Amino acid sequence: QVQLQESGPGLVKPSGTLSLTCAVSGGSITSSNWWSWVRQSPGKGLEWIGEVFHSGSTNYNPSLKSRVTMSVDKSKNQFSLQLTSVTAADTALYYCARDRYITVWGQGTLVTVSS
Amino acid sequence: DIVMTQSPDSLAVSLGERATINCESRQTVLYDSLNKYYLAWYQQKPGQPPKLLIYWASTRESGVPDRFSGSGSGTHFTLTISSLQAEDVAVYYCQQYYSTPWTFGQGTKVEIK
Repeated sequence: QVQLQESGPGLVKPSGTLSLTCAVSGGSITSSNWWSWVRQSPGKGLEWIGEVFHSGSTNYNPSLKSRVTMSVDKSKNQFSLQLTSVTAADTALYYCARDRYITVWGQGTLVTVSS
Repeated sequence: DIVMTQSPDSLAVSLGERATINCESRQTVLYDSLNKYYLAWYQQKPGQPPKLLIYWASTRESGVPDRFSGSGSGTHFTLTISSLQAEDVAVYYCQQYYSTPWTFGQGTKVEIK
């Protein structure tokens, strides 16, 4: 069965760029699925950040669109998230996920924005 | 954005009793041509990611106990736990995947009375 694992820095400085990667195991990233990022913070609950298809097509949350980039690396069977110009409000537990009603979740990685 | 509002924010139910969680969408999540509601329910236990329970408003995910059921129509949906078990203590979320951005309810915390 498909499993997802997030990786990336747990601490990012204000105004910096948050970069996370999600490794897909037990299945191919080129399957007919959308791959998403969702974050969870105490103040805002669950927030969908966006999704990417293996073709490179993306959909982003308009609230974050100007700062978000998602991409797929087929050779490594993984997908990535970049969030620029981060502030303390971007501190959250970041999950990678599969599908639009989410059938598979990563365990989540905590990212703290602080100097 | 489609705003999803859950009620109540929390509830305490005795073991073996019924728990009912409501979710209201501010706009339709019904795709008319397919006659499907683009509405899912998740369960999240402390320290774990959410787990899919229900999709298409009433289809139970494989492996989910049949004491969990989803229903609803229009813009009002319900998750019912027919006989609450100790392992059902969690926070429950609804989510619409009808139009981007996909949005979640604020969550309902279920505890044992």
